[in-house]
Amino acid sequence: DAKTTQPPSMDCAEGRAANLPCNHSTISGNEYVYWYRQIHSQGPQYIIHGLKNNETNEMASLIITEDRKSSTLILPHATLRDTAVYYCIVVTDKLIFGTGTRLQVFP
Amino acid sequence: EPEVTQTPSHQVTQMGQEVILRCVPISNHLYFYWYRQILGQKVEFLVSFYNNEISEKSEIFDDQFSVERPDGSNFTLKIRSTKLEDSAMYFCASSEWMYTGELFFGEGSRLTVL
Repeated sequence: DAKTTQPPSMDCAEGRAANLPCNHSTISGNEYVYWYRQIHSQGPQYIIHGLKNNETNEMASLIITEDRKSSTLILPHATLRDTAVYYCIVVTDKLIFGTGTRLQVFP
Repeated sequence: EPEVTQTPSHQVTQMGQEVILRCVPISNHLYFYWYRQILGQKVEFLVSFYNNEISEKSEIFDDQFSVERPDGSNFTLKIRSTKLEDSAMYFCASSEWMYTGELFFGEGSRLTVL
């Protein structure tokens, strides 16, 4: 699996957009970008995924650069409950977690 | 919304004892997984399972570990003779498709080996 690089931690004010970056410069053409989060020690939760087009669902938006070497997960209006570790994962055939970004949403 | 359920939520055992962790995957899913997370560390892939066979396993999944789907609903992870270093959260997951990254995880079973 291609490796990803994420900042270890970020802060965001409640109600503001949280933009979480991810670099995946060695991604291959058939590899998808997946985003998960893990709230405290709960099970990881799927958020969104994409191949090359931008994607949006009820939880978040995913922006993938044209060269596919990086992406950004956007939580449009962060709440305190969005405080979690966010994982950007490039998947060929299985899900392998890295260390992610610890997002702290503050009041 | 369908969910993956795991039991027990917490188990404490003595070193050398056998442990079975149970999971009920989402009913129409055909692919099953176990992951573990040692406190403060990454979520690690252990094994994937399909059609009553292991599809893939990691280096962590040695002879001490086994998985089984004993009936149409349960998926179990057995650790034959637990070691202190097996203390971790164990997460079961299931998916509808093979080679997908869209997995549905349970809330985990915390195993403490004394």
